[in-house]
Amino acid sequence: GAGVSQSPSNKVTEKGKDVELRCDPISGHTALYWYRQSLGQGLEFLIYFQGNSAPDKSGLPSDRFSAERTGGSVSTLTIQRTQQEDSAVYLCASSLDFDQPQHFGDGTRLSIL
Amino acid sequence: GQNIDQPTEMTATEGAIVQINCTYQTSGFNGLFWYQQHAGEAPTFLSYNVLDGLEEKGRFSSFLSRSKGYSYLLLKELQMKDSASYLCAVREEQAGTALIFGKGTTLSVSS
Repeated sequence: GAGVSQSPSNKVTEKGKDVELRCDPISGHTALYWYRQSLGQGLEFLIYFQGNSAPDKSGLPSDRFSAERTGGSVSTLTIQRTQQEDSAVYLCASSLDFDQPQHFGDGTRLSIL
Repeated sequence: GQNIDQPTEMTATEGAIVQINCTYQTSGFNGLFWYQQHAGEAPTFLSYNVLDGLEEKGRFSSFLSRSKGYSYLLLKELQMKDSASYLCAVREEQAGTALIFGKGTTLSVSS
């Protein structure tokens, strides 16, 4: 039984480098979400994909952040020219439809040196 | 604006009952979720309320009052494994909007 799978589980990189984070949602789930969780903070919404509709990018903190979802399945979150404040756990979630409970992956812990 | 408040920390003993409160102020309302998150792990879904009242699921129950912008999560017969962070999250009225999360309540259960 596959849940939401994220890779890598940990990523350490130097400031200024680009990083790509991958999310493989539960098969058949049409909705996919990216969140960011910083120490002591709540989950912060980044971007949302629903089927073939245009994504809701309202949570992306800057134009250095982008995401795509290919074939309605796997999603990649890209952060360009990383900054130290980008250090956080990046969580992906998927749900059967927009009004169903979200199931989270274990996240990618990103550390920017 | 959006605001979700819950206590930062709570402590309780094994076998006891604990109630974790959540108040919210959002632009419209279309459901409230509770998630459990153990340290270093993904949040896991506990409960969903969209109508007023109590939803019971085993040792866990969740209550919602939309007129008061208030919910609580009730945990009965506490076990050590219940030590975790409990996240309250609200979905706003606009269909498809992602969840707005509170900062979570860290519950510590002692023997």
